[in-house]
Amino acid sequence: EAQVTQNPRYLITVTGKKLTVTCSQNMNHEYMSWYRQDPGLGLRQIYYSMNVEVTDKGDVPEGYKVSRKEKRNFPLILESPSPNQTSLYFCASSLRGTGGFRETQYFGPGTRLLVL
Amino acid sequence: AQKITQTQPGMFVQEKEAVTLDCTYDTSDPSYGLFWYKQPSSGEMIFLIYQGSYDQQNATEGRYSLNFQKARKSANLVISASQLGDSAMYFCAMREAINTGTASKLTFGTGTRLQVTL
Repeated sequence: EAQVTQNPRYLITVTGKKLTVTCSQNMNHEYMSWYRQDPGLGLRQIYYSMNVEVTDKGDVPEGYKVSRKEKRNFPLILESPSPNQTSLYFCASSLRGTGGFRETQYFGPGTRLLVL
Repeated sequence: AQKITQTQPGMFVQEKEAVTLDCTYDTSDPSYGLFWYKQPSSGEMIFLIYQGSYDQQNATEGRYSLNFQKARKSANLVISASQLGDSAMYFCAMREAINTGTASKLTFGTGTRLQVTL
């Protein structure tokens, strides 16, 4: 089954304790992104990756890191989480394909993070 | 200026009735795509429908259709024959062609919460 998986789905942590949210897709997609969703703000892009070893900042990258060592995986790292990073996080992937901006983004199930 | 504007924070509709969710967008790029996603209470993002800026016809997918008015920069989602399972948050999103080289970033609106009643 074609899918984007994220782990963990729920996480409660404390300020300053490093954490990693994993993301994996089995569709051989080149593009992967991380978004955060906050009430009244919709989804905002944190980081994105065009392919292996190619990553760049999105709209709200402060406090986050990413890596893309393999095509299928795109982990999100919070080196020193703070309460303002409490949010719902989504990983997404899409083909680079000839459709260009037509290519649909497929989202993972989301990770609910609470930083105390 | 907001790139995607959804002015209806919440909507109610009776079962079996049609409902229109509004979305206006702002771009100077002649090539862009508009997407609608559904987010039920369980939280996942479900792709519903896509409209390209050069598409001649309005997109349709089953009970979903997109009322695309390019000159007015609006892309309203129409759900026909509403069902209780349609109760969810709905997001309008846009990808501009200039962002194709930036891993296809989607810019989202703030969403509309739809509640279907008996």
